Amino acid sequence: GESVGLHLPTLSVQEGDNSIINCAYSNSASDYFIWYKQESGKGPQFIIDIRSNMDKRQGQRVTVLLNKTVKHLSLQIAATQPGDSAVYFCAHGAGNKLTFGGGTRVLVKP
Amino acid sequence: DAMVIQNPRYQVTQFGKPVTLSCSQTLNHNVMYWYQQKSSQAPKLLFHYYDKDFNNEADTPDNFQSRRPNTSFCFLDIRSPGLGDAAMYLCATSGDRGRFYGYTFGSGTRLTVV
Repeated sequence: GESVGLHLPTLSVQEGDNSIINCAYSNSASDYFIWYKQESGKGPQFIIDIRSNMDKRQGQRVTVLLNKTVKHLSLQIAATQPGDSAVYFCAHGAGNKLTFGGGTRVLVKP
Repeated sequence: DAMVIQNPRYQVTQFGKPVTLSCSQTLNHNVMYWYQQKSSQAPKLLFHYYDKDFNNEADTPDNFQSRRPNTSFCFLDIRSPGLGDAAMYLCATSGDRGRFYGYTFGSGTRLTVV
């Protein structure tokens, strides 16, 4: 079956540095990818998405890169801030279903 | 501004006592989902409605049921909650205009079973 997984469970980053969170997926039919941020006790918050016909997309301080050849997705956060501390999930959409990866906790050190 | 609203935010229920969680949306999205999220884990899809069509995941226990009386509302019914059903339950919606878009999550209902 399809799966989406993350390489690093916890990422500690100095405030002001850039963060990179990685994600691998196994379903080559996947056509839609989303990164979510989840703070404690809250629902997942949309950060950025990318469709399979693209390899890069930029938002405000965030960039998502998609490498379909190796089935790899990454989220880059520029100038990480304390408010970026949270758990980040990648998710893969195929048809009308979204499958989540295991999550990476980002801890921002002052 | 809340677009996917879940009530209540916190729910305590007794072991074996039926409980219902509710979700409403103002987005007019035609797809609504229920996810279960246990501590430190990723959300796991239980089922979803595409309009009125119910789509159950193969590994969702029979103890979990759902109802969607209209476009705006969707309910999760747990017929006989066990201790292992304690979790955060997330409702989400998405639209469909040939391609799916706009996945939006509610804030979740945290269920405690005592």
